[in-house]
Amino acid sequence: ETGVTQTPRHLVMGMTNKKSLKCEQHLGHNAMYWYKQSAKKPLELMFVYSLEERVENNSVPSRFSPECPNSSHLFLHLHTLQPEDSALYLCASSPRQGNEQYFGPGTRLTVT
Amino acid sequence: AQSVTQPDIHITVSEGASLELRCNYSYGATPYLFWYVQSPGQGLQLLLKYFSGDTLVQGIKGFEAEFKRSQSSFNLRKPSVHWSDAAEYFCDVGATGGSYIPTFGRGTSLIVHP
Repeated sequence: ETGVTQTPRHLVMGMTNKKSLKCEQHLGHNAMYWYKQSAKKPLELMFVYSLEERVENNSVPSRFSPECPNSSHLFLHLHTLQPEDSALYLCASSPRQGNEQYFGPGTRLTVT
Repeated sequence: AQSVTQPDIHITVSEGASLELRCNYSYGATPYLFWYVQSPGQGLQLLLKYFSGDTLVQGIKGFEAEFKRSQSSFNLRKPSVHWSDAAEYFCDVGATGGSYIPTFGRGTSLIVHP
């Protein structure tokens, strides 16, 4: 049990769909992160939230829109995605920025 | 800006053999250092961390790592590898202070032969 849950675990969507990924942490942490992990590529940091404020947007296309309504929840809203956006999307949390991270199991996204 | 290099993309060892995975970092001050492990299709799990103090840190699953400031390295070791250790291993360096942005290495894939 990691204390960080992600839903859904698998998602198939068309290029014109709108969907959202959800992440929830039950650890009382103050920082949360979204990562993209594609095959054969390094782990890519997408967004960082600390105390519900976005502190990093790592040049991510606007078709990815994060939302952090409170310190326990993080969403990634998806719209008009491209096939190259197919990847494993990982959420993580840490007690605060700078500490170790606890990862969720990921959402396997396929864009058709 | 900080950076992390894991020079080995793949490492193959026999079960029961010792293991060392290399990690070199670039950062202007004393960093926070972490090792994570990822099984296929899963999230990453923290193996161990270094913040300060003793430069040899112990982690879960029998792993340890040593921080060597002079070599800017934080290599991961295990004296005897088990088949279940086959996975992807990631080194992560962070900055001390509140402005930490995670910087991961590309990962090293560990293959364990019976």
